[in-house]
Amino acid sequence: AQSVTQLDSQVPVFEEAPVELRCNYSSSVSVYLFWYVQYPNQGLQLLLKYLSGSTLVKGINGFEAEFNKSQTSFHLRKPSVHISDTAEYFCAVREMIQGAQKLVFGQGTRLTINP
Amino acid sequence: GAGVSQSPRYKVAKRGQDVALRCDPISGHVSLFWYQQALGQGPEFLTYFQNEAQLDKSGLPSDRFFAERPEGSVSTLKIQRTQQEDSAVYLCASSLGTGTSESFGPGTRLTVT
Repeated sequence: AQSVTQLDSQVPVFEEAPVELRCNYSSSVSVYLFWYVQYPNQGLQLLLKYLSGSTLVKGINGFEAEFNKSQTSFHLRKPSVHISDTAEYFCAVREMIQGAQKLVFGQGTRLTINP
Repeated sequence: GAGVSQSPRYKVAKRGQDVALRCDPISGHVSLFWYQQALGQGPEFLTYFQNEAQLDKSGLPSDRFFAERPEGSVSTLKIQRTQQEDSAVYLCASSLGTGTSESFGPGTRLTVT
């Protein structure tokens, strides 16, 4: 069975500072990797995904993530955050096998940007 | 274009009542998913449809939960004899199919009192 661990439940950061949100996963098969953002009272929005190829993936809103297979990690980074980045961030995986459709999510990291 | 819509956005039910939650996916999307998100947690998979066929219902927590998508478009998640532990946000997502990314709806927040 797959599992996703987001190591920090809350991350407070000052505006314009860099941030890293950590994600580790466990799976007996290869997986696709995703980061989603959830603003208050809204659904999930895809930030970026890793399917194959370059391990450094760039997404929307200036975010990027790096897939590290040996460490089974997919950490999310942004070099300079804005107040508008305040939200809940979820890491998710999907098994890379035929017929597998469901996403397995981590528990989320609440990113709070302070002025 | 229109995204995934869900109704109602908020639902309060007394324990023991039945509820029905509706999901309108993006037009033409073949795949439809339901997830349950408890307070402070990540979403957890409930069930998956491909057109009208329910291909995976392994995440439904009990036989009180039932989902359908009879014409391969709109889907309804029904919860019978609601209990307090059913209180959560229920998220619906749809996609064009295998290998494509899902679009999520805003969710229905169910509170069971």
